[in-house]
Amino acid sequence: DAGVTQSPTHLIKTRGQQVTLRCSPKSGHDTVSWYQQALGQGPQFIFQYYEEEERQRGNFPDRFSGHQFPNYSSELNVNALLLGDSALYLCASSSFGRGAEKLFFGSGTQLSVL
Amino acid sequence: AQSVTQPDIHITVSEGASLELRCNYSYGATPYLFWYVQSPGQGLQLLLKYFSGDTLVQGIKGFEAEFKRSQSSFNLRKPSVHWSDAAEYFCAVGRTTSGTYKYIFGTGTRLKVLA
Repeated sequence: DAGVTQSPTHLIKTRGQQVTLRCSPKSGHDTVSWYQQALGQGPQFIFQYYEEEERQRGNFPDRFSGHQFPNYSSELNVNALLLGDSALYLCASSSFGRGAEKLFFGSGTQLSVL
Repeated sequence: AQSVTQPDIHITVSEGASLELRCNYSYGATPYLFWYVQSPGQGLQLLLKYFSGDTLVQGIKGFEAEFKRSQSSFNLRKPSVHWSDAAEYFCAVGRTTSGTYKYIFGTGTRLKVLA
């Protein structure tokens, strides 16, 4: 049973470019959340997808957008990259309606913006 | 606003010594509380969680945590630390909005273990 998988593991971009990160949830899960973890900080909630819709959003600008596909996998898109977008991006999956069920995290995508 | 505070940025203990990592939260309702561990370059692994009931919860790897409502705390403990416990530890509170949940994390405590 595969856990949460993210791709790519590492990515280097330059300012102003656009990036797409991908996530496949754990088998049996239908909800995907994205978190940004800057160096030396705790993860910060970006947004959550369920039934292909954004259900919650954290305090992130519109440059951050997402998508969920019918197979529950998800993408995180960041436009007009800034140096401050350099971080570890974590995807977490869960089952909707299970309450505060624990999240299963992937190993993350390390994004460096030069 | 909901928040989680981990007052210790770094902690160093000797192998075999006891450990306590502090976590304080601010939340208007009964919180759902979690402790996660992160090794370098890795994702987060759940150590334990508290939803309700017994305020002392047991987790994996010999960790336990105690929920104290009066102190708004959820401190993580381990009686004897192993070198492999060196990692970063995050406390989190689960917040519900319209039936969905998101987690608010603290800034983490980095644990160093001396041989």
